[in-house]
Amino acid sequence: GAGVSQSPSNKVTEKGKDVELRCDPISGHTALYWYRQSLGQGLEFLIYFQGNSAPDKSGLPSDRFSAERTGGSVSTLTIQRTQQEDSAVYLCASSLIRGNTEAFFGQGTRLTVV
Amino acid sequence: AQSVTQLDSQVPVFEEAPVELRCNYSSSVSVYLFWYVQYPNQGLQLLLKYLSGSTLVKSINGFEAEFNKSQTSFHLRKPSVHISDTAEYFCAVRSLSNDYKLSFGAGTTVTVRA
Repeated sequence: GAGVSQSPSNKVTEKGKDVELRCDPISGHTALYWYRQSLGQGLEFLIYFQGNSAPDKSGLPSDRFSAERTGGSVSTLTIQRTQQEDSAVYLCASSLIRGNTEAFFGQGTRLTVV
Repeated sequence: AQSVTQLDSQVPVFEEAPVELRCNYSSSVSVYLFWYVQYPNQGLQLLLKYLSGSTLVKSINGFEAEFNKSQTSFHLRKPSVHISDTAEYFCAVRSLSNDYKLSFGAGTTVTVRA
């Protein structure tokens, strides 16, 4: 596609429910990243994919968070048993390869847990 | 590990006035530096970056930033802003040895008024 696409753009869920956030990277980009932007804070790194594998999951805040990537393309970030502190904008980015190439960001999914 | 401090959370400025957004970083290793911009209802876009060479880097829309290693700073400037520069600006760093993880500041919201 022309850019990184994320869906849904907005999600309101009840506390305790599971949610899935989707990221469609730019075609041909092998590296994919998830970040979280909480109110008044900078972007927080969550996880990095190279192809379908995730060499760095160090930013996932708890075991309720998981992510996968299939076919070297689409990625899904899953949050189980959502809590109010999970409310944030979740941003996905992709780059052609890891390293000095530019990372292109999607518009994000705004998650609100009520 | 790296950390980024953006000293101003909000910067109001009149049209055609100059603006400076301050960014300081902390790192025990050499880093690359970036400024990203997020216009209202859009995803993050790379504005400019410093990888090596000349410490003064410029964007196509009139912004410039200067890397100052001794002061560990990468301040962003524009001599004359437009209404369309209203956006949130994020400073980010990445270590040379960890070539995928960006560490972001909390962001500076620039509001340009006529």
